[in-house]
Amino acid sequence: GESVGLHLPTLSVQEGDNSIINCAYSNSASDYFIWYKQESGKGPQFIIDIRSNMDKRQGQRVTVLLNKTVKHLSLQIAATQPGDSAVYFCAEKGNYGGSQGNLIFGKGTKLSVKP
Amino acid sequence: EPEVTQTPSHQVTQMGQEVILRCVPISNHLYFYWYRQILGQKVEFLVSFYNNEISEKSEIFDDQFSVERPDGSNFTLKIRSTKLEDSAMYFCASSEARAGELFFGEGSRLTVL
Repeated sequence: GESVGLHLPTLSVQEGDNSIINCAYSNSASDYFIWYKQESGKGPQFIIDIRSNMDKRQGQRVTVLLNKTVKHLSLQIAATQPGDSAVYFCAEKGNYGGSQGNLIFGKGTKLSVKP
Repeated sequence: EPEVTQTPSHQVTQMGQEVILRCVPISNHLYFYWYRQILGQKVEFLVSFYNNEISEKSEIFDDQFSVERPDGSNFTLKIRSTKLEDSAMYFCASSEARAGELFFGEGSRLTVL
């Protein structure tokens, strides 16, 4: 069935280090993936997205990598800052089966940044 | 920066009562969504709405749930007879296009006693 999940529930990094958050998906028909950041008490906030015709996309301090062969998605955060502390979700948005594009979220990885 | 706003931020209700959660999507957006997040769990899709009708709903969105766009700005989620398991954070989201980026509100926390 369709599912998007995460390898690690928590990740603790030192301020200034790079962070890598991983995600696995099971539906090979998925064609669009998004990373969201959720701070405590707030709604998910878009970070970066990638389409299935790409394998890498860069934003400001963030990079998303997509490996379709093994159905794996990762989010890299460069020079992690205390403000990056949050729960990170990957989400899948498939244009298959007549879906209007609802998001299927993974379980989330909590990133803690130590000063 | 335009944002999705939701009210109330927190509502406590008794089991069996009706609850209406309100959302004001971003003004030029055409697609509207409700998601929920049970404490400590992942965000789950409930329903999408476009052109004044439901375009898709999940198995969670049963007959106890309904959505409405009563005027040009509000988008509401009604739970007809709340159950304990309806306790969750409910997020409204909107997007400009079908495949566009979703913008989420800050959520309405529903506590059913």
